[in-house]
Amino acid sequence: EIVLTQSPGSLSLSPGERVTLSCRASQTISARYLGWYQQKPGQAPRLLIYGSFNRAIGIPDRFSGRGSGTDFTLIISRLEPEDFAVYYCHQYGKSPRTFGQGTKVEVK
Amino acid sequence: QVQLQEWGAGLLKPSETLSLTCAVSGGSLSGFHWVWIRQPPGKGLEWIGQISDSGTTDYNPSLKSRVSISVDMSKSQFSLQLTSVAAADTAVYYCARADCGPYCIYHFYYMDVWGKGTTVTVSS
Repeated sequence: EIVLTQSPGSLSLSPGERVTLSCRASQTISARYLGWYQQKPGQAPRLLIYGSFNRAIGIPDRFSGRGSGTDFTLIISRLEPEDFAVYYCHQYGKSPRTFGQGTKVEVK
Repeated sequence: QVQLQEWGAGLLKPSETLSLTCAVSGGSLSGFHWVWIRQPPGKGLEWIGQISDSGTTDYNPSLKSRVSISVDMSKSQFSLQLTSVAAADTAVYYCARADCGPYCIYHFYYMDVWGKGTTVTVSS
């Protein structure tokens, strides 16, 4: 099973700040099957990024993804009020599909 | 616009069978995989399993002995059964559509549309 470890577990930031979230895989994976989701309280997760860097339909360009091998990153260039949420990375190429434990982005 | 809606019993006793159905509207089931995910209260996401439009299934080994996913193309819905439930199965259960986008030749399917989730509580 591929274990995804996200860091940090949480962070407190102000609107307008740049955010860098990390996801490390327990083994080398293809960038083609690494995605990122955003989840707000009481809501289902929303797809942000698939294939490490492809933005899903309707996702603003302040969200970007990159990475390869075992290290992947989600960047929010400038935090908007609606971006405070929990972010999960997810690998969907090897069974069982797995998620990271999440990073909570809170208002400072 | 594709929409997914889960429904099923929300309160179960230990050892009972969880049965949920996900109705798909606004789009076809063909060409996609159909996924169940759950989230225990205050915790992260767990992939339960998925089924292709041709009926091929893939389950999480941690649940494999208890889980079954089926699809009914004629009714545009797919279902989850989880037997012998326990308190640890208490969670919000989500259904989702998985697409392959530009990665179909690799059979990499990512979840792009989710239902709103349904809460299942297991308690005696």
